[in-house]
Amino acid sequence: AAGVIQSPRHLIKEKRETATLKCYPIPRHDTVYWYQQGPGQDPQFLISFYEKMQSDKGSIPDRFSAQQFSDYHSELNMSSLELGDSALYFCASTPNGRISGNTIYFGEGSWLTVV
Amino acid sequence: QQQVKQSPQSLIVQKGGISIINCAYENTAFDYFPWYQQFPGKGPALLIAIRPDVSEKKEGRFTISFNKSAKQFSLHIMDSQPGDSATYFCAASLPGGSARQLTFGSGTQLTVLP
Repeated sequence: AAGVIQSPRHLIKEKRETATLKCYPIPRHDTVYWYQQGPGQDPQFLISFYEKMQSDKGSIPDRFSAQQFSDYHSELNMSSLELGDSALYFCASTPNGRISGNTIYFGEGSWLTVV
Repeated sequence: QQQVKQSPQSLIVQKGGISIINCAYENTAFDYFPWYQQFPGKGPALLIAIRPDVSEKKEGRFTISFNKSAKQFSLHIMDSQPGDSATYFCAASLPGGSARQLTFGSGTQLTVLP
């Protein structure tokens, strides 16, 4: 079965550079969530999109932006990267904008290392 | 403020033993409580989930016990195996018709000794 696809899996950037992460949800899933997980930390919600519109916003820095496209894939753009942005970034998807009653499927994550 | 508090931070269990991880929540509006298993470098995978109208749910070796009055829920792993060694996160979610995010606990590193 198709899962949530994230790319790239690993990314190394220098401070002050820009990075873009991509997420392809499970087919027919219209809702995408982005999470950031620092080393040894629990995942922290960044932002979510439902039907190509931002639906919820969490602890996402102003340097970050995201959008969902017509094919429901999403991109997380991170600018002016800082060392503290080094983390595992997860994308997750659900159908119909709901979590309750539906399994939320996570991708395998994109490792961002800022040097 | 951590809305979902998880304990213990780490747990070591012998093969065949019972692993118990506990979570407590603050917000009584939460209506969905999943548990996730995460292996190093991998995304969290849903193990089992429960709604507040049920006090216990069992799937294979995994059982969730839910105490609504105490605002607590726990994961029991029976006959623990070395392959169960992973980080376990409890989580909670609010109801609603639009997209919602999960609030995660801080995670429990489980090690099952052979």
